[in-house]
Amino acid sequence: DSGVTQTPKHLITATGQRVTLRCSPRSGDLSVYWYQQSLDQGLQFLIQYYNGEERAKGNILERFSAQQFPDLHSELNLSSLELGDSALYFCASSGPGQGVDTQYFGPGTRLTVL
Amino acid sequence: AQTVTQSQPEMSVQEAETVTLSCTYDTSESNYYLFWYKQPPSRQMILVIRQEAYKQQNATENRFSVNFQKAAKSFSLKISDSQLGDTAMYFCAFMNRNSGNTPLVFGKGTRLSVIA
Repeated sequence: DSGVTQTPKHLITATGQRVTLRCSPRSGDLSVYWYQQSLDQGLQFLIQYYNGEERAKGNILERFSAQQFPDLHSELNLSSLELGDSALYFCASSGPGQGVDTQYFGPGTRLTVL
Repeated sequence: AQTVTQSQPEMSVQEAETVTLSCTYDTSESNYYLFWYKQPPSRQMILVIRQEAYKQQNATENRFSVNFQKAAKSFSLKISDSQLGDTAMYFCAFMNRNSGNTPLVFGKGTRLSVIA
């Protein structure tokens, strides 16, 4: 158990819909990262937050947005969903304390868009 | 931009044998970390080992060790005494440390099968 939690584990929805994925980092970690793992694209970085502020942006679509709240949990919002958005979405955290530069991953949310 | 290449899409090894997974990377940065993550069929991403670029000594974690060749930009993972539970997808990853904690750049992965 990495200490990073993600909900829900599975999500099935239809095209055009909007969903929210939630992540709680390890206790004490300030950085949260979101990654997308699809069959043809591998693991791709979407966005990073540090202590509530956006720190870095990767290949994140305009239909996607995220935020990190004062309690440090983060949410990834996916809207106007398309079939190609079906993927495994991981959250990872890192921060002060042991293994400060190491990212620990949550179990992921599997999104299926029908 | 950094790139990470894993040239072996699939590998297999007999139980109790040793196997080496290859990884090369391209970067102009001087301060970085390298990681190997394991993704078993459960799809959980599990840290296997990490290497700081400024350290000359190769990292070791129990049966897992790396061969870090900085000049050649090579970072291979050796698994000794392979066990059935080592069957997984293995990802090599790069992290630039020149501006604090930054996102990981992953290779495409190597699927390892351990055969009884």
